[in-house]
Amino acid sequence: QVQLEESGGGVVQPGRPLRLSCAASGFSFSSHGMHWVRQAPGKGLEWLAVIWHDGINKYYADSVKGRFTISRDDSKNTLYLQMNGLTADDTAVYYCARGSSPYTSAYYYNWGPGTLVTVSS
Amino acid sequence: IVLTQSPGTLSLSPGERATLSCRASQSFSSNYLAWYQQKPGQAPTLLIYGASSRAIGIPDRFSGSGSGTDFSLTISGLEPEDIAVYFCQQYLRSPPTFGGGTKVEIK
Repeated sequence: QVQLEESGGGVVQPGRPLRLSCAASGFSFSSHGMHWVRQAPGKGLEWLAVIWHDGINKYYADSVKGRFTISRDDSKNTLYLQMNGLTADDTAVYYCARGSSPYTSAYYYNWGPGTLVTVSS
Repeated sequence: IVLTQSPGTLSLSPGERATLSCRASQSFSSNYLAWYQQKPGQAPTLLIYGASSRAIGIPDRFSGSGSGTDFSLTISGLEPEDIAVYFCQQYLRSPPTFGGGTKVEIK
C-alpha cells in the first residue's frame, strides 16, 4: 500500500527557514519523480517543485525559485523541501505527491495528507 | 498553460448528470490532462489521467473526455459522496498547472 506522510509544518515567523519532510513507502521510491504542491487556505492547487528520479534534475515554480530547495534521500525513502525567505504568501497546506513518471511531466498517483505551514509573526 | 474550469459551483440532485469543463489556453498535442477529486479536509485523489483513463478503483460513473483545448469530466449519476472540489491538471508542459476547480454540491 502506497503511503506518503508529510511532516515539519507549523507556525514560523516571516524570514525564518523551515524544512518539510515526506516519508514514502509501498512503492519503488527511487524510480519516481517526486513533487511538492501547495494549497493556500480556501484556494486552488499550486505546483511548486519536482525532483527527478536521478536526484539531480530539479525544477521549481517561479514563485519559489531561489527560496525553496527540493531534495531526496533514496536510502531513507524521504523527500524534502527546504524553505527559506518565507512570507505570509507561503501560508498553505503542503503536499508531497508521487509522479507517474521519473520526470517533470507527470500526473500524481498518490498524495500525502499534507502539512500546514503558517507564516506569521 | 492556463486552465480555466467552469462552472465555479455546480449544484445538482442525486442521480443527475454532472458535466465539468476544463479549457486550456493552448492546444494539447497529446492528452496530458488529469482530473482530481478533493473532498473537504482531504488531499486530492487521482480520478482520470490521459484525459480519459480512469485511475485504479475509480467508479465507472466518472468519465473524462476531450482533446485540443476543451476537456470535460462527467459524473453520470451523482452520489452524495461525490461532494467535492474537482481540479484538472495539465502535465504536457512545464510548469504543471491546475485549473481553479469546480465545487460540486448536492441540492
